[in-house]
Amino acid sequence: DAGVIQSPRHEVTEMGQEVTLRCKPISGHNSLFWYRQTMMRGLELLIYFNNNVPIDDSGMPEDRFSAKMPNASFSTLKIQPSEPRDSAVYFCASSSLRATGGYTFGSGTRLTVV
Amino acid sequence: AQSVAQPEDQVNVAEGNPLTVKCTYSVSGNPYLFWYVQYPNRGLQFLLKYITGDNLVKGSYGFEAEFNKSQTSFHLKKPSALVSDSALYFCAVRDGGSQGNLIFGKGTKLSVKP
Repeated sequence: DAGVIQSPRHEVTEMGQEVTLRCKPISGHNSLFWYRQTMMRGLELLIYFNNNVPIDDSGMPEDRFSAKMPNASFSTLKIQPSEPRDSAVYFCASSSLRATGGYTFGSGTRLTVV
Repeated sequence: AQSVAQPEDQVNVAEGNPLTVKCTYSVSGNPYLFWYVQYPNRGLQFLLKYITGDNLVKGSYGFEAEFNKSQTSFHLKKPSALVSDSALYFCAVRDGGSQGNLIFGKGTKLSVKP
């Protein structure tokens, strides 16, 4: 298994531009999570999906952030418009719905907004 | 409500010495406990988990953790630290009686000096 695949690995964009981060979860996993990691705030859960349905988006910082999961093998996190304070590493993770299972994380997307 | 605490922001150890990274938790039901490691510029990687059974759990890279129900702790240990163990370590907990998400601690930076 190739694991959780995120793209791009690095993204540099100008303030005001739209940014789309992509994630392919592990085949067979029912849950997908988007996290943001910064030095100041640590690891923050933004949103998660069960069976492609958004369950809790209370961690999404603002309306500028949106996430979709059109099918079991693909999810996107979009920021529009982007701001310098959005600069962070964004991780996607997937898991089965079994309570004993842990999460498998992708390698992350390092976003820099200038 | 579930919570997990990692009381130390940083742990410094000399190579060859034993190391301990502390974690305490709070859940209403039976705890499912996890440790993850994050190397620089990488995603979180699963180290080990406790679901049930023997209180001493062995994981990857020679790490182990001891579940202590009375002290609600799940400290990560290794008998002899390596410089390559230097990384960020996260403890996580889930209430085993629910389908709830993993709750992550804020992380502890382990620094092993030669």
